[in-house]
Amino acid sequence: NAGVMQNPRHLVRRRGQEARLRCSPVKGHSHVYWYRQLPEEGLKFMVYLQKENIIDESGMPKERFSAEFPKEGPSILRIQQVVRGDSAAYFCASSPQTQNTEAFFGQGTRLTVV
Amino acid sequence: GEDVEQSLFLSVREGDSSVINCTYTDSSSTYLYWYKQEPGAGLQLLTYIFSNMDMKQDQRLTVLLNKKDKHLSLRIADTQTGDSAIYFCAESRYGGSQGNLIFGKGTKLSVKP
Repeated sequence: NAGVMQNPRHLVRRRGQEARLRCSPVKGHSHVYWYRQLPEEGLKFMVYLQKENIIDESGMPKERFSAEFPKEGPSILRIQQVVRGDSAAYFCASSPQTQNTEAFFGQGTRLTVV
Repeated sequence: GEDVEQSLFLSVREGDSSVINCTYTDSSSTYLYWYKQEPGAGLQLLTYIFSNMDMKQDQRLTVLLNKKDKHLSLRIADTQTGDSAIYFCAESRYGGSQGNLIFGKGTKLSVKP
């Protein structure tokens, strides 16, 4: 009974490269959420997706960041042309539905931009 | 603003009680949460409280909510070294949804033997 699986756990990218972060939700969960945690900060909401739909992307930077949750396969958070300020831990959470249910968090992907 | 505020550090001795405090800003928040994060790990939901409650107890954990002052606290009785972690307070943006949460910066709890 696997929980939320994120990979890679650690990712190093040079400035200007692309970063792709993957999140496999708990089996049967159709709601996925991405959060970013900067050093010494709390988690900041980025985006909420259901299968094939973006429900709320109010926390996503307007440029370079995109997210998808296809019908088959994991959810992907994509960061194009990474900059040093993108270095952070990115957490994914999933839930079977939104109301009154627990969202389970993955262990995060720690992105370092050099 | 929509900040959730927490003190950054707390140090207690093993066996003592720990009290972690939090203030939030959105009076319409319906659920408030406490999460635990151990080093290098994701977040683990510890407990939550509905906004029409004043108190919730779950084994060693007691949550107190003062809605008038927008103040939330987490008390851990008989604190153990395994309780050392960062504790995050969070409020829901949408009623009941744990997906879109506003988190505090976290309180690092250190438990000394």
